[in-house]
Amino acid sequence: EVQLVESGGGLVQPGGSLRLSCAASGFTFSSYAMHWVRQAPGKGLEYVSAISSNGGSTYYANSVKGRFTISRDNSKNTLYLQMGSLRAEDMAVYYCARAKPPGIAAAATDYWGQGTLVTVSS
Amino acid sequence: EIVMTQSPATLSVSPGERATLSCRASQSVSSNLAWYQQKPGQAPRLLIYGASTRATGIPARFSGSGSGTEFTLTISSLQSEDFAVYYCQQYNNWPPNFGQGTKLEIK
Repeated sequence: EVQLVESGGGLVQPGGSLRLSCAASGFTFSSYAMHWVRQAPGKGLEYVSAISSNGGSTYYANSVKGRFTISRDNSKNTLYLQMGSLRAEDMAVYYCARAKPPGIAAAATDYWGQGTLVTVSS
Repeated sequence: EIVMTQSPATLSVSPGERATLSCRASQSVSSNLAWYQQKPGQAPRLLIYGASTRATGIPARFSGSGSGTEFTLTISSLQSEDFAVYYCQQYNNWPPNFGQGTKLEIK
């Protein structure tokens, strides 16, 4: 069974940093591109970032470019999102999701985690 | 960026009836269009990809159609568990933007 479990969310002050993790199981993690998608409270879905299966290619939404960094450790079956210079508008539930092959960045996503909440407030 | 526009914002339908949801892209996305269902407090679930292919385990009452800029999700006979928010998503170009969602509610 495919499972994606996010962690690392919490309360952070504006300008602060946070690292999210997504632990994957039930599939060959190193064979799949992975995505981060967020959802602000009561709002729709917004793409944040994507990474290729070997980590060699990364993609970012304009809203987070230069502030967030996506990475992965295929030996640990884990996806990361390092978030910096956080703003109030970054407050959201952050989901990791598996890209449906053969897509990498522009791809449908066939499995999602349950999400982790990031709250940005002083 | 490609802008995805869904209509209507809210759709009220009785159980057992048919629901038709629309999605329009600001430029052609070929057939690179997916539909997701999201229930309160849950992650989105992939329903349709490639504009018309049902994802694994999705009931046959869900069907997708369209190509280019105009797409439709049809639920042929609504069950109680189908009342949720539905999002379309283009994945022809980065970023693979979502529409703003259609809330399907019980009439």
